[in-house]
Amino acid sequence: DGGITQSPKYLFRKEGQNVTLSCEQNLNHDAMYWYRQDPGQGLRLIYYSQIVNDFQKGDIAEGYSVSREKKESFPLTVTSAQKNPTAFYLCASSLARETEAFFGQGTRLTVV
Amino acid sequence: GENVEQHPSTLSVQEGDSAVIKCTYSDSASNYFPWYKQELGKRPQLIIDIRSNVGEKKDQRIAVTLNKTAKHFSLHITETQPEDSAVYFCAGHNFNKFYFGSGTKLNVKP
Repeated sequence: DGGITQSPKYLFRKEGQNVTLSCEQNLNHDAMYWYRQDPGQGLRLIYYSQIVNDFQKGDIAEGYSVSREKKESFPLTVTSAQKNPTAFYLCASSLARETEAFFGQGTRLTVV
Repeated sequence: GENVEQHPSTLSVQEGDSAVIKCTYSDSASNYFPWYKQELGKRPQLIIDIRSNVGEKKDQRIAVTLNKTAKHFSLHITETQPEDSAVYFCAGHNFNKFYFGSGTKLNVKP
């Protein structure tokens, strides 16, 4: 359901390793977003993209990188530069202007 | 950029009572205000939204009101049920981004 899929659902990473979270949508949406959710906090924007081959930093982009080579895909890489990467990561997509954002089911990343 | 503040952070009501969650925003350019419900371990899902040219919108037991002059909007849930227990997020949208409030954990006691 939902038309936007994140994988994997759970991910464990050793300190010092990069890891890539997948996000794919078949809703033909132009805009895609990555959010980080920590316990008791809201959704904080990491990166967003309005069109293919273009993306912008959000409020907490440090230690993360993204690409948008295809309209359907917006992978997020958590690099070793991210000091506290353990969190719940949510990907979302929407039509470009002021319409509902649809969320993926999330990836829970744990650094071990 | 936009700043969305949400209150209260937790809310406990008795089944059948009403619940009200309030949000304020800072940027008058924001024109779209969705509300999301997130159950434990699941994805946020839209429950209702409102645009700046409308003052109130209702969908069964859920309603949202918007005061553009005061820059605040509120979610109203009437006749609450245990299945309404979840975290609720408000958001504003401008400059191609959504700005989310910090969330309200609603607990409906049977």
